[in-house]
Amino acid sequence: RKEVEQDPGPFNVPEGATVAFNCTYSNSASQSFFWYRQDCRKEPKLLMSVYSSGNEDGRFTAQLNRASQYISLLIRDSKLSDSATYLCVVPGGSGNTGKLIFGQGTTLQVKP
Amino acid sequence: EPEVTQTPSHQVTQMGQEVILRCVPISNHLYFYWYRQILGQKVEFLVSFYNNEISEKSEIFDDQFSVERPDGSNFTLKIRSTKLEDSAMYFCASSKIPDEQYFGPGTRLTVT
Repeated sequence: RKEVEQDPGPFNVPEGATVAFNCTYSNSASQSFFWYRQDCRKEPKLLMSVYSSGNEDGRFTAQLNRASQYISLLIRDSKLSDSATYLCVVPGGSGNTGKLIFGQGTTLQVKP
Repeated sequence: EPEVTQTPSHQVTQMGQEVILRCVPISNHLYFYWYRQILGQKVEFLVSFYNNEISEKSEIFDDQFSVERPDGSNFTLKIRSTKLEDSAMYFCASSKIPDEQYFGPGTRLTVT
């Protein structure tokens, strides 16, 4: 299994739709997980952190399944401005050094 | 809201030349990082830095690369002798703890 694996998409959805992205990871010892958003040729921006079973912030919900080593991100009521690449990110490395392993990203295009 | 800043935004250099990429992390952060993203590929970890020393580095971060915190605010990445394959976007990031990281806008390095 790859360290972090995502379906690259693209996901093309109409405004108002609900869309979910999945991510699998290989390091069963990981304790924290992140979703970042990246717009074209811009820096990754932290969207959500997940430390236990899940996290919710407005229209965004992240869920964690440790047994299956699987994280998901659900976006409800999609807006045009949600169009971006969503990066699943998992800590890696030896010890608590802050090294982050990024997935390839899932591209979302929200259409009017 | 405090931000990570990076200069220059774009650097063009000839193969074999030395480049220094500069970053100003968020002021109360203690952990600093460099990542790179080759066009069309995923974000890759280069190095993490804490307490004035490297805490982890990737296999990409060979003897041609070095990092420095020359004063209380700047964090630099030096590439001694650039190669064509060093062309990428270089992101600096910082964090209070080795966890949620905040990224700068990046420096686009083009090696010709």
